Amino acid sequence: DQQVKQNSPSLSVQEGRISILNCDYTNSMFDYFLWYKKYPAEGPTFLISISSIKDKNEDGRFTVFLNKSAKHLSLHIVPSQPGDSAVYFCAASGGGGADGLTFGKGTHLIIQP
Amino acid sequence: GAGVSQSPSNKVTEKGKDVELRCDPISGHTALYWYRQSLGQGLEFLIYFQGNSAPDKSGLPSDRFSAERTGGSVSTLTIQRTQQEDSAVYLCASSVRDYYEQYFGPGTRLTVT
Repeated sequence: DQQVKQNSPSLSVQEGRISILNCDYTNSMFDYFLWYKKYPAEGPTFLISISSIKDKNEDGRFTVFLNKSAKHLSLHIVPSQPGDSAVYFCAASGGGGADGLTFGKGTHLIIQP
Repeated sequence: GAGVSQSPSNKVTEKGKDVELRCDPISGHTALYWYRQSLGQGLEFLIYFQGNSAPDKSGLPSDRFSAERTGGSVSTLTIQRTQQEDSAVYLCASSVRDYYEQYFGPGTRLTVT
């Protein structure tokens, strides 16, 4: 069963607009959530994270929102830029390195000029 | 400073052969992780090392897979008697102990023919 779900395989957004990427999870033991960005032929790059004790974390153009009751998080990118075109992975941690991170299947974000 | 490096970047092998994949983590990072990404899938956690020890090997797909880490640094992932379903990108990540931000290498693309 998939514990971290990204239901949109792809998303197209116009340059300058807001990009919103969504992620749902099922495991209530997850206490830390991360977003990674991946370009072709490269490893994932850490973007932003949020602890379960918070509901929002902001870093420049990137903001992550966490709704624990809905087991839902989202990544907002404002304004979207051409270099943001990549695959974005949502990941969750259950409170210890021994379990690794549980990843979603990713959303391919395409920024249209 | 240098990031996580992996070698080889690409490996094509015949079914039934053994392969060895190498990971050099970021200097000073005590935690090391192996993941794999099959076509169209998210990242699948394989194994975690804290120092030289791997407390839980249950994430390895089969007993043909093994991993070791020596000197608290370099790690090797060995796949014996490779099968076509082993074809994937194998990613290594490292992190500072007790931190959740994992930094990924570029991956090794393994193709079993």
